[in-house]
Amino acid sequence: DTGVSQDPRHKITKRGQNVTFRCDPISEHNRLYWYRQTLGQGPEFLTYFQNEAQLEKSRLLSDRFSAERPKGSFSTLEIQRTEQGDSAMYLCASSLSAAPGELFFGEGSRLTVL
Amino acid sequence: AQTVTQSQPEMSVQEAETVTLSCTYDTSESDYYLFWYKQPPSRQMILVIRQEAYKQQNATENRFSVNFQKAAKSFSLKISDSQLGDAAMYFCASFTGANSKLTFGKGITLSVRP
Repeated sequence: DTGVSQDPRHKITKRGQNVTFRCDPISEHNRLYWYRQTLGQGPEFLTYFQNEAQLEKSRLLSDRFSAERPKGSFSTLEIQRTEQGDSAMYLCASSLSAAPGELFFGEGSRLTVL
Repeated sequence: AQTVTQSQPEMSVQEAETVTLSCTYDTSESDYYLFWYKQPPSRQMILVIRQEAYKQQNATENRFSVNFQKAAKSFSLKISDSQLGDAAMYFCASFTGANSKLTFGKGITLSVRP
């Protein structure tokens, strides 16, 4: 296993379009997190899954954002009707619940909304 | 709610010297963990060091050590014998079992002068 992978690495879209990001976690990790990071800032929590259950969603996650983790494996984060303010790096991370806070991050998916 | 504050946006250190990065946090939980994560330019974030709040002994990982002052809610990172590869953004973060998510500070950019 080579770590957490995210796809696509870069996405440029026009305002109003929908985008979807995929994250493949480390295979034995039961927790999966999504964070958003803007330039020069720390990552902001969006949501997390334990296995296939989405256990918490941030207030930052408007109704235009939806995340899934079918079968507790990979996860997708969809943003509908994108806005310029959605431009950011979207980070995925995975961990074991037995190792609290020890997250393994992917390289991120950079979204630019024109 | 958890908050993590990193008030220094940038620091610089001479190669082979020692540098200390500051962090303060606030939480109402008694069971929590503190972390320093490193984000090199254009690369994924990696865990540097972890501290359990119930442990009085400061954590150490090779050239990295922390000064955990629980009463003051302070958690600083000391990097000894700084190397060029230490240049990165460093994020302080806290994690509680109550919400199972990492809360990050804004980060500090560390540059290493050869």
